[in-house]
Amino acid sequence: KQEVTQIPAALSVPEGENLVLNCSFTDSAIYNLQWFRQDPGKGLTSLLLIQSSQREQTSGRLNASLDKSSGRSTLYIAASQPGDSATYLCAVRTGGGNKLTFGTGTQLKVEL
Amino acid sequence: NAGVMQNPRHLVRRRGQEARLRCSPMKGHSHVYWYRQLPEEGLKFMVYLQKENIIDESGMPKERFSAEFPKEGPSILRIQQVVRGDSAAYFCASSSQMGQRDTEAFFGQGTRLTVV
Repeated sequence: KQEVTQIPAALSVPEGENLVLNCSFTDSAIYNLQWFRQDPGKGLTSLLLIQSSQREQTSGRLNASLDKSSGRSTLYIAASQPGDSATYLCAVRTGGGNKLTFGTGTQLKVEL
Repeated sequence: NAGVMQNPRHLVRRRGQEARLRCSPMKGHSHVYWYRQLPEEGLKFMVYLQKENIIDESGMPKERFSAEFPKEGPSILRIQQVVRGDSAAYFCASSSQMGQRDTEAFFGQGTRLTVV
């Protein structure tokens, strides 16, 4: 059974700092991995999708890496801003059907 | 191209009533997934449907919960005789293809169900 863990559960940083969020999964036979952002009381916004054959994906100040063999992914946020404050979720897709297994998220707060 | 649309956004039901949650997938998407997010917990898969078919319902509670995705109209998640423990955010996602490794899931804004 796939299990996804995210560390840390919560993180508070000053504005401008670079930071790394971690995601680990127990079954390395994944098809892809997605990072999402969730604002309080809101839905999920897809940030980055990494296919199993890829090592990393970049979008603006975000960079996600994937090490499938070790079951790890990181989300790097450069020059953090208060608007980055949200919960970041990692999810992996294992097998057909696009069923996603989610981690419990990292709650990020970027302070002025 | 509108995204995944869920309604209502907020739903309040008394214990014992029925709750109906609707999800219209993105245009061109024929695969729908329902997830539940309980307070202070992560999202958990409930059910995966294609038009007129339930493909995987391994995450659905055995009683009171049902889902459908008719040939015409939105997908419906139905909860009968709701209890306080059903209070949660219910999210719908859609995708265009099954089994394709590069398929991305797109999520709706969710329906927040409160049982009083």
